[in-house]
Amino acid sequence: GAVVSQHPSRVICKSGTSVKIECRSLDFQATTMFWYRQFPKQSLMLMATSNEGSKATYEQGVEKDKFLINHASLTLSTLTVTSAHPEDSSFYICSARGGSDYEQYFGPGTRLTVT
Amino acid sequence: GQNIDQPTEMTATEGAIVQINCTYQTSGFNGLFWYQQHAGEAPTFLSYNVLDGLEEKGRFSSFLSRSKGYSYLLLKELQMKDSASYLCAFMDSNYQLIWGAGTKLIIKP
Repeated sequence: GAVVSQHPSRVICKSGTSVKIECRSLDFQATTMFWYRQFPKQSLMLMATSNEGSKATYEQGVEKDKFLINHASLTLSTLTVTSAHPEDSSFYICSARGGSDYEQYFGPGTRLTVT
Repeated sequence: GQNIDQPTEMTATEGAIVQINCTYQTSGFNGLFWYQQHAGEAPTFLSYNVLDGLEEKGRFSSFLSRSKGYSYLLLKELQMKDSASYLCAFMDSNYQLIWGAGTKLIIKP
């Protein structure tokens, strides 16, 4: 149990375009979802925390107008990278947490390359 | 403030034992996690300690001392597939994970 999927697994887009990444909890209800970014050879960097039905809480330095997060249901959260630039190229990973379960279950990640 | 520290890289031999240490400072604590991350993949859960002591799970064990702000992950009978980064993270008073930078473990034959 506790499976989290992400789609797409890889995406290449042109500079200036927008990209949407989906994160789904397949067999549990995710009251909280987290979005991370990881640059090569660096640790996970938390971008934002989202609770179902409410606005996401962004970490300092993360532009909320550039990284749009929607957590419309207990099984789906989306991250939209708007007007992507090459410096946004990274590995984006979501994780989800259920009600009383403290463990975060990670999705497989999405590798974004902006050309 | 909050901080967490672990070694950047360690090397060990196949079949041997390795201990990866993690130290942390925080005013609010709700447990410590260890995750394994292979290159290009998402982290996978290894262990969770919230009380002092040793938790054993097969070849992997994790230890916690809350008074010392210290944890370690012990890997026994190392296999080549254990080559990965090992991330420690503590959960703060807001139930948010604070991540270490990860320890890259290199296994040599």
